[in-house]
Amino acid sequence: ETGVTQTPRHLVMGMTNKKSLKCEQHLGHNAMYWYKQSAKKPLELMFVYNFKEQTENNSVPSRFSPECPNSSHLFLHLHTLQPEDSALYLCASSRNLGEETQYFGPGTRLLVL
Amino acid sequence: DQQVKQNSPSLSVQEGRISILNCDYTNSMFDYFLWYKKYPAEGPTFLISISSIKDKNEDGRFTVFLNKSAKHLSLHIVPSQPGDSAVYFCAASASTGNNRKLIWGLGTSLAVNP
Repeated sequence: ETGVTQTPRHLVMGMTNKKSLKCEQHLGHNAMYWYKQSAKKPLELMFVYNFKEQTENNSVPSRFSPECPNSSHLFLHLHTLQPEDSALYLCASSRNLGEETQYFGPGTRLLVL
Repeated sequence: DQQVKQNSPSLSVQEGRISILNCDYTNSMFDYFLWYKKYPAEGPTFLISISSIKDKNEDGRFTVFLNKSAKHLSLHIVPSQPGDSAVYFCAASASTGNNRKLIWGLGTSLAVNP
């Protein structure tokens, strides 16, 4: 069983909707990450949090808004998305920032209509 | 331009034989390399890694080889088992201050046939 959970697993939304993705890690890790995996593209790092402080925003459009209320929870708030934002969104954590061994959740498969 | 390339999108091998998955990189600053495995409907899971100061790391049936001069690494699985059927991602990182970012390949889908 993975120590990183994500909800929902699947999401269909219109371009005017507002939705949120949730990630929770039960591993006691200090760093959390959001990744995007689009078809035929490698995993793209979106945001990095360390001790609930954002340390990296990889030029992500403002229609994606992350929130990290504590070291165990990470949210990705979605607003006025575009069809090209349809992808698999993966959350990951690591014991400390900069550690390459990251533990991933199962992902949320997002479809924007 | 992709810095980490997995040129074979798929690979099929017979159970019991060796699986060899390849990965090439372009950035000479990369000093740590990892392989992750991903089953359908699950997130990637860490498999094995290697530091640039080594040329081989072995863990049970899995061995990673690093050829720095060729900027090439490979993952060997022997003997291959049907449960090894998954997508394998190669990832690389370089130290940038106190932060390390993983750069990922596109993945190779391995099918191990009984």
